[in-house]
Amino acid sequence: EADIYQTPRYLVIGTGKKITLECSQTMGHDKMYWYQQDPGMELHLIHYSYGVNSTEKGDLSSESTVSRIRTEHFPLTLESARPSHTSQYLCASGSGTTSHGYTFGSGTRLTVV
Amino acid sequence: EDKVVQSPLSLVVHEGDTVTLNCSYEVTNFRSLLWYKQEKKAPTFLFMLTSSGIEKKSGRLSSILDKKELFSILNITATQTGDSAVYLCAVPKGYSGGGADGLTFGKGTHLIIQP
Repeated sequence: EADIYQTPRYLVIGTGKKITLECSQTMGHDKMYWYQQDPGMELHLIHYSYGVNSTEKGDLSSESTVSRIRTEHFPLTLESARPSHTSQYLCASGSGTTSHGYTFGSGTRLTVV
Repeated sequence: EDKVVQSPLSLVVHEGDTVTLNCSYEVTNFRSLLWYKQEKKAPTFLFMLTSSGIEKKSGRLSSILDKKELFSILNITATQTGDSAVYLCAVPKGYSGGGADGLTFGKGTHLIIQP
């Protein structure tokens, strides 16, 4: 039973289009994260948030942007999609300590053609 | 820069075998190490380890940490086809090491259990 929801699950979109990947959690977690994962590769942190109105860039340079207006919602936006953005995007949330790990969403598989 | 290296990258065994997955790390401010199982899409949390030599166990899975040698192992005994997945090792980022700044992941071990 998922407590963190990502939509859409799959998206195929043309180059130059603006897209928003949605992520919502019902656990009241302050900390939320976006990771990017290519097939057979490790997860790379691209954005994170400590709480409402907080956003930080991760290790991997990304042309995406995020916002955190509400605790439960952490959308990721690409203003102009390119084929290099083709990847899987995973959202996660946590209470701020690692004692129970983070909870991950099921991911969005994005293909830009 | 924090670094997590997992081995092997892939492993194929028969049902009933025992497997050992390895994870070595280099981090600036170590606080803990986490193991996840990734089937299809969402990684699911398995263990968090903070102290050397103390085994964490859940059913047929167990894990132990060696802070002196900077590695951890994940053991799975009496493997079943349902254990087929990618097993990920991760350490918290950031100066505090507490995890609020996200995790650094290894590439994972792709484990295939054949009937």
